[in-house]
Amino acid sequence: DAGITQSPRHKVTETGTPVTLRCHQTENHRYMYWYRQDPGHGLRLIHYSYGVKDTDKGEVSDGYSVSRSKTEDFLLTLESATSSQTSVYFCAISEVGYTGELFFGEGSRLTVL
Amino acid sequence: GNSVTQMEGPVTLSEEAFLTINCTYTATGYPSLFWYVQYPGEGLQLLLKATKADDKGSNKGFEATYRKETTSFHLEKGSVQVSDSAVYFCALSANTGNQFYFGTGTSLTVIP
Repeated sequence: DAGITQSPRHKVTETGTPVTLRCHQTENHRYMYWYRQDPGHGLRLIHYSYGVKDTDKGEVSDGYSVSRSKTEDFLLTLESATSSQTSVYFCAISEVGYTGELFFGEGSRLTVL
Repeated sequence: GNSVTQMEGPVTLSEEAFLTINCTYTATGYPSLFWYVQYPGEGLQLLLKATKADDKGSNKGFEATYRKETTSFHLEKGSVQVSDSAVYFCALSANTGNQFYFGTGTSLTVIP
């Protein structure tokens, strides 16, 4: 199994509070992604990174920011959480980009009350 | 733009039945196509892939052929087992970027 660890795995928070989800990899893969999974929508890309300090937006990036200061860590921050951000968040990594395989973490379930 | 459309679920089949899950795509450039599977409480894992037209991906009895003329990548299995019960996602990535686009997922339940 690919070495991907997401933390926390479960979090309940209140509207308006900041939240940071962490993705840590031990594979030294170049590409890292944050997706959210919602019923009826499948997986939607929030942000991705193609190297240290190199990030770009996905299709649902509003309300989210990311940072990657080290190859192994990719942080997703919700500056002020809203109920619409209640979801399951998955981190994924890829060694070679678009032709390669995505390896997924186990997911982080976030509930915003 | 890039998008994936897959058949709505849920799908319920008896063990040993034939499975088809339809997937069509829209893409710029020359996409790679994938099927991922998600078991309850887990992340997605790659089931099979095809990186160019007419390629056939296969794994664990599942197959899918990259059809450029019909922009399709349908998933098939000749004889499903209870252990195949999961959610299946069709996905694409385009060579115009390193983003992966996923369909909405199709839930499969196989009953003994």
